[in-house]
Amino acid sequence: KQEVTQIPAALSVPEGENLVLNCSFTDSAIYNLQWFRQDPGKGLTSLLLIQSSQREQTSGRLNASLDKSSGRSTLYIAASQPGDSATYLCAVEGGSYIPTFGRGTSLIVHP
Amino acid sequence: DAMVIQNPRYQVTQFGKPVTLSCSQTLNHNVMYWYQQKSSQAPKLLFHYYDKDFNNEADTPDNFQSRRPNTSFCFLDIRSPGLGDAAMYLCATSKGSYEQYFGPGTRLTVT
Repeated sequence: KQEVTQIPAALSVPEGENLVLNCSFTDSAIYNLQWFRQDPGKGLTSLLLIQSSQREQTSGRLNASLDKSSGRSTLYIAASQPGDSATYLCAVEGGSYIPTFGRGTSLIVHP
Repeated sequence: DAMVIQNPRYQVTQFGKPVTLSCSQTLNHNVMYWYQQKSSQAPKLLFHYYDKDFNNEADTPDNFQSRRPNTSFCFLDIRSPGLGDAAMYLCATSKGSYEQYFGPGTRLTVT
């Protein structure tokens, strides 16, 4: 059974710092990995999707990498802003359209 | 804008009183998902549809049922809600194994 772990569980940083959020998974036979943002009491917003054949994806200040062989993905946030404060979740899909989510990293960026 | 819509956003029901949550999408995606998310936890997949094919997760309680009358709509029925069913219920869609798009969620309170 796929297990997804996100470290750290919580992070508090001053504005302007570059951040790395980690996601690890136990079964490397995945179709894709997706990073989401969730604001309190809201649904999930997709940030980046990395297909299993890809190594990384970039969108604005966000960069996500994928190393299937080691079962790891990182989400890099450049020049963090208070508006980036949210919970960040990763999800891996291993086939049969069944995603497995991590519990997320709760990020606070203070001015 | 194409999107995933969930109604209602907030639902209060009494212990044991059946409740139905609805989800609709304008993305014409063939896969639809229902998740349950409790505070500070990862979203838990309850079921998903690939087109009309229904897939129930092994640990989804029998108290939870779902219907997908057409491509655009999907319903979650909770036959006899218990206090432990209070949670955020999230609907998501995808086109095959591609990016998942989430609705804003329905917050269910059981009194």
